[in-house]
Amino acid sequence: GESVGLHLPTLSVQEGDNSIINCAYSNSASDYFIWYKQESGKGPQFIIDIRSNMDKRQGQRVTVLLNKTVKHLSLQIAATQPGDSAVYFCAENGANAGGTSYGKLTFGQGTILTVHP
Amino acid sequence: DAGVIQSPRHEVTEMGQEVTLRCKPISGHDYLFWYRQTMMRGLELLIYFNNNVPIDDSGMPEDRFSAKMPNASFSTLKIQPSEPRDSAVYFCASSPDRGRQPQHFGDGTRLSIL
Repeated sequence: GESVGLHLPTLSVQEGDNSIINCAYSNSASDYFIWYKQESGKGPQFIIDIRSNMDKRQGQRVTVLLNKTVKHLSLQIAATQPGDSAVYFCAENGANAGGTSYGKLTFGQGTILTVHP
Repeated sequence: DAGVIQSPRHEVTEMGQEVTLRCKPISGHDYLFWYRQTMMRGLELLIYFNNNVPIDDSGMPEDRFSAKMPNASFSTLKIQPSEPRDSAVYFCASSPDRGRQPQHFGDGTRLSIL
């Protein structure tokens, strides 16, 4: 029979446009968040991270925004290039209400970004 | 600097056979993680180690799976006996910190059980 897999969200943009990839996380006590990029045949590659005491952090061409009120994380990529085409994952480090880290990351399902020349 | 190194990159074997996946973490990283990635379930944590000691193996699917870390520079994930549903990409990652530093991933082992 036909296998049913994860249906990943997709985002298609033109080269040079800005991209915004969104992620909802589950644990309101999570205190650390990471964005990863995964290209075909490779492992997830670290892009940028943010701690829960911040709401914005900028890197080279990338910005991560954190909205703890609605448990939402976004990754903005400026001037998107064909080499940015990949699957993007957010990950959260959970913690309990007392702030003790669980010590492990929980990954989202991922978003497929396709950049057209 | 060398990243996380995994071997083999690809493994094809028949069901019932023993499979051993290997990982060399980044030097100085005290935490090592094993993940499995499938289309059905995405990226799942199987087990992680701190200073060579298994801390959380709640993600290990069943007793057919075992992991060891005999020293700070080497870990194995073993499946015995293997089954077709074990087919997946297995990743190893390492980190200098528990949960507040990024984990760095290897390029994985693509495992196919026939």
